[in-house]
Amino acid sequence: GENVEQHPSTLSVQEGDSAVIKCTYSDSASNYFPWYKQELGKRPQLIIDIRSNVGEKKDQRIAVTLNKTAKHFSLHITETQPEDSAVYFCAATPPRQLTFGSGTQLTVLP
Amino acid sequence: EAGVAQSPRYKIIEKRQSVAFWCNPISGHATLYWYQQILGQGPKLLIQFQNNGVVDDSQLPKDRFSAERLKGVDSTLKIQPAKLEDSAVYLCASSLGSGANEQYFGPGTRLTVT
Repeated sequence: GENVEQHPSTLSVQEGDSAVIKCTYSDSASNYFPWYKQELGKRPQLIIDIRSNVGEKKDQRIAVTLNKTAKHFSLHITETQPEDSAVYFCAATPPRQLTFGSGTQLTVLP
Repeated sequence: EAGVAQSPRYKIIEKRQSVAFWCNPISGHATLYWYQQILGQGPKLLIQFQNNGVVDDSQLPKDRFSAERLKGVDSTLKIQPAKLEDSAVYLCASSLGSGANEQYFGPGTRLTVT
C-alpha cells in the first residue's frame, strides 16, 4: 500500500515569514494529493489539493508543488499569520484509499 | 449545505465494554469513510463504503471492529470488546465519489477506554 512521510513534525516561524512542509509518497499510482489543516480539537479541513497532471497550484498565500518523478510534494505558506497555527497533514491517494502523513505542528510566533 | 454529522461527540468506557458510533454523511455523497486518529498521528482509514458496499476494510481489526452502512446513507461503527489502545478520535468522512475527490470530515467522536 501507499506510504506517506511528512517533515518536519514541528515548525515554528515568525509572523510574516514563510513556512514549508514536505511530503514523500511511495506508490507511483497515486494521483491526488490534498493538504488538510486541523486546529486543536477540530475536524481536518481541506486547504488545497493538487492532481498528478499539475506541477503547481496556488491559492492566495498557500501553494503546493508536486514532483512526480521524485515522488514528493510540498506545501508553502507565505506571509504567515497567527491563525495559520495548526497541524497540517499531507495525503496521497492511489485509485481508492487516502493515506495521510503524520502531521506537522506549525506555530506562528507573533 | 449541512456537513457530516457524528454522535456521540465524547464517550468514556471501560475496557472489554462495547461502543457504537453513528455517522450521517453529506446528502448525495456516495462514499463514506471511517478513520481512527490516535493523538499526535494522522487519520488512519478503517473502512470505506461506496453506497452500501465495502470498498476497503483492510485496516479494520475485524475481530473487534464492525461497521455497516444500511441503505447507503447513515453508518455505524462498533467496537466490541474495547481495548485500551482503541482510545482515539473516530472520524467519519464522506465524498461524492472515491479516489481523487475532496473528503469532508465530521467533528469526530473522542473515545477514551479506561
